Amino acid sequence: QSALTQPASVSGSPGQSITISCTGTNSDVGKYNLVTWYQQHPGKAPKLMIYEVTKRPSGISNRFSGSKSGDTASLTISGLQAEDEAHYHCCSYAGRSTWVFGGGTKLTVL
Amino acid sequence: EVQLVESGGGLVQPGGSLRLSCTASGFTLSNYAMSWVRQAPGKGLEWVSAIVGSGTTTYYADSVKGRFTISRDNSKNTLYLQMNSLGAEDTAVYYCAQDSMALGSYWGQGTLVTVSS
Repeated sequence: QSALTQPASVSGSPGQSITISCTGTNSDVGKYNLVTWYQQHPGKAPKLMIYEVTKRPSGISNRFSGSKSGDTASLTISGLQAEDEAHYHCCSYAGRSTWVFGGGTKLTVL
Repeated sequence: EVQLVESGGGLVQPGGSLRLSCTASGFTLSNYAMSWVRQAPGKGLEWVSAIVGSGTTTYYADSVKGRFTISRDNSKNTLYLQMNSLGAEDTAVYYCAQDSMALGSYWGQGTLVTVSS
């Protein structure tokens, strides 16, 4: 159960688009379409933003989108807003009813 | 509105035990799988354990297997995590989560467990 790889930090200006990558292996991200993304503001609980690679829960802005290619999943945030500044965590099903997370990425809105 | 409230965290000595609880409201607990996810200070999230709605099947991360036990009492709308043989590496905020759409569809506010002498 090795952790997924995410960049430690990304940044962008208001209105721009950014993409956060999440690299796994052919045993997790590459094998299952069960990648989720969470947003976490400081001192708060995580919040589900994307599930099953591309799906958005009700109430989540369509500025957030997910995709996957091979062993790498990505979260794209378009039209960056100040309130998007947070940590973002990816997670993938890893088989045998286990899940693996990435190390998290800090998004800074400049 | 889905609400999850964790309790039972605190300071415990290495080798000690602790039982966490998660009280659910706003939904029928028995209808959903539930999970525990933890976050060490300044670190990322780590999946710990999951349990199906009926409570008959449980799953664990290798890092806690044999030491932690997840259980639920649907009649009391409560999820539990019994933690034994605790070590410094178990120091973290522990979140309970409802897994309706996916792992962590809804989260509690977390409870801090500190393992230290």
